[in-house]
Amino acid sequence: DSGVTQTPKHLITATGQRVTLRCSPRSGDLSVYWYQQSLDQGLQFLIQYYNGEERAKGNILERFSAQQFPDLHSELNLSSLELGDSALYFCASSPEVGTVTEQYFGPGTRLTVT
Amino acid sequence: AQTVTQSQPEMSVQEAETVTLSCTYDTSESDYYLFWYKQPPSRQMILVIRQEAYKQQNATENRFSVNFQKAAKSFSLKISDSQLGDAAMYFCAYRDDGGSQGNLIFGKGTKLSVKP
Repeated sequence: DSGVTQTPKHLITATGQRVTLRCSPRSGDLSVYWYQQSLDQGLQFLIQYYNGEERAKGNILERFSAQQFPDLHSELNLSSLELGDSALYFCASSPEVGTVTEQYFGPGTRLTVT
Repeated sequence: AQTVTQSQPEMSVQEAETVTLSCTYDTSESDYYLFWYKQPPSRQMILVIRQEAYKQQNATENRFSVNFQKAAKSFSLKISDSQLGDAAMYFCAYRDDGGSQGNLIFGKGTKLSVKP
C-alpha cells in the first residue's frame, strides 16, 4: 500500500460524458502527478500540481483539467469523452523535499468509455 | 526532449536464476534521477529502485541492483534469485533534477515471466 488513494477504482461511461477522478496523496506530500496508461501510448504524464498550484503540463488534452485543493487532494476532470480516452489513470504523489523525489502511485482508476 | 528506451518487450527467467533488464535513455542534463517500477497483474505501480545520476555507486535493494553507466546512458536492472512474485511488467523511468517539478518519463516496459 503506497498510501495514495484513488477513487473510483472503475468507471464505465458513454461517449460525450464528463467524469471526475479523485486522488488523495500520501500524508505530507505536496506534489500530485497525473498519468495516463493506455495500450497504444504507454505511460504518459498529464499534469502536476504542487501545493495547490499547477506546476507542469504534459500531454494533457484541452478537454481534460485538474485541480488541487487546500487539503492537497486532487481531481482530474475529463469531459466530452471519446472512446480513445479509455485508459488507466494514475495519480502519484511525492514529497519533493531535497533529494527525496520518489513518486508513489495510487492503485489507478480504470476508465472505460463505451 | 528526454527519451527512455527499453529494447526488450519480453523476457523470461527460471526461478532462482538471475535476469537483467535493459534500459537506455537520452538527455542533455547532467543531474537527474532514474527509477525502475514494477507493475504486477494488479496494475499497481511499485517503486523498485532509484539511482541519482551524481552517484557513481550502483543502487541495491535486496535482490535488485542496477548497473548505471552514465557515459553510455544505460541503466539496467538485475534481479537475482528470481521468484515467482517477480513476474510483472517493469518500467524504466527518468526524471530531471528539477526541484519541485519533475514528471517521470517512462519506457515502454519489459514483461518478465518467471518459470517454476
